[in-house]
Amino acid sequence: AQTVTQSQPEMSVQEAETVTLSCTYDTSENNYYLFWYKQPPSRQMILVIRQEAYKQQNATENRFSVNFQKAAKSFSLKISDSQLGDTAMYFCARIFGNEKLTFGTGTRLTIIP
Amino acid sequence: DTAVSQTPKYLVTQMGNDKSIKCEQNLGHDTMYWYKQDSKKFLKIMFSYNNKELIINETVPNRFSPKSPDKAHLNLHINSLELGDSAVYFCASSQSDSNTEAFFGQGTRLTVV
Repeated sequence: AQTVTQSQPEMSVQEAETVTLSCTYDTSENNYYLFWYKQPPSRQMILVIRQEAYKQQNATENRFSVNFQKAAKSFSLKISDSQLGDTAMYFCARIFGNEKLTFGTGTRLTIIP
Repeated sequence: DTAVSQTPKYLVTQMGNDKSIKCEQNLGHDTMYWYKQDSKKFLKIMFSYNNKELIINETVPNRFSPKSPDKAHLNLHINSLELGDSAVYFCASSQSDSNTEAFFGQGTRLTVV
């Protein structure tokens, strides 16, 4: 089975600090896509950032960036200058072609004022 | 305009009843999904349709029957509801040939009493 693993069920950091969420995945494909989704208490699933496996450059979206290590099959999310609104569940996900979008088990992130 | 909309947002019903959740997307995507999120926040795919054709059918009781009248709609009908069906159900859509991210509806919280 091709899986996505998030080893940190819960994390908490002080406001304005930097936090890194871990994600590893399993795939036999060479070209695929990786995503981080955020689910705040409103339960809406919001795309945070995406990474195409054939691109070596790490994706960045404002305060959010990834560390994509293709050989290690690792895709971590770094949140800089964390804000109270970043409090949410964060899900790592992977897709290839017509395969299902497979999610990790999620990391509950709490930003402490 | 809402990209992926599902109704109702909340659904409370008694055991044994039959209920439906509707989903519509206006993004022109060719693939639609139903995901179930349990109390531990784990997102598990139930079904995937591509151009109205069933692509993925995970191990789901046959009390759950998806119906796709056209590629913009994917409804979920559930017969003989059980307590264990209580969860949040998400509809999502994506474009299969571009590996873009999936866009999610706001979720339907189903509570079976």
